[in-house]
Amino acid sequence: AQSVTQLDSQVPVFEEAPVELRCNYSSSVSVYLFWYVQYPNQGLQLLLKYLSGSTLVKGINGFEAEFNKSQTSFHLRKPSVHISDTAEYFCAVSGGNTGKLIFGQGTTLQVKP
Amino acid sequence: EPEVTQTPSHQVTQMGQEVILRCVPISNHLYFYWYRQILGQKVEFLVSFYNNEISEKSEIFDDQFSVERPDGSNFTLKIRSTKLEDSAMYFCASSERVGRGTNEKLFFGSGTQLSVL
Repeated sequence: AQSVTQLDSQVPVFEEAPVELRCNYSSSVSVYLFWYVQYPNQGLQLLLKYLSGSTLVKGINGFEAEFNKSQTSFHLRKPSVHISDTAEYFCAVSGGNTGKLIFGQGTTLQVKP
Repeated sequence: EPEVTQTPSHQVTQMGQEVILRCVPISNHLYFYWYRQILGQKVEFLVSFYNNEISEKSEIFDDQFSVERPDGSNFTLKIRSTKLEDSAMYFCASSERVGRGTNEKLFFGSGTQLSVL
C-alpha cells in the first residue's frame, strides 16, 4: 500500500521569501512522485514530476523538488515566492502504469505582501 | 493548452436523488478517471476507465456509483441515490498514453462541487 503525508496544512510566507512544502511517502514498490497545484476555482495542474533519473526535478513557475529515497521525501521548494503562488499544493504518488494517484492532504501556501 | 471540462461547477441535490456529473476529456485521450475530495480531506481515487470498461476502482466506488462514456466525447459519473456523505468536490481527469508512463500526462478538470442536502 502507498501513502502520502504532507506535514504542513498551511504555510504562510512573505513575498520574495523562500518556501519549502514538505511531503513524505511510503511505498513497497518503486514510485512516481508528483506535485500538483490548485488555484482558486481551477482544476489540479501538474507542477512537476519525478519518474526516474536525476533526483532534483524542476517544474513550472520556478518550483523544484528533490527526491530523497533514504528519507522517503519529495519536498517542494521555491527560492522566492510571488503573491500569485498563493494556492493549494498537493503531493501525490503512483506505483505503476495506471492513473491511480494517492494524494496527500494538501498544503495551503499563503503568500503575504 | 487543451483542457478537461466539467459541468456543472456546482450541483445541489436532495438526499436519495440521482445525480450525473459530466466531463468532457481531452479529445485524443484514452484513459479517464474520477477522483473526489471531501472538504478538509485528501483527494481520493474513485475509478479509472479504459476501452469502455472500468480498469480499476476503489472501495469507495460501490454499487451506488457508475461511469459511462455515452458518446465519443462525454464521460459521466452517476450516483444513483445520493447520501449526505457524497458531498464533495468531484474531479474528472484524462490521459493520453497506453502503457508505461500514463501518469505523466494526467490532466484534471476544475471539478464539480456536489452538495447533498
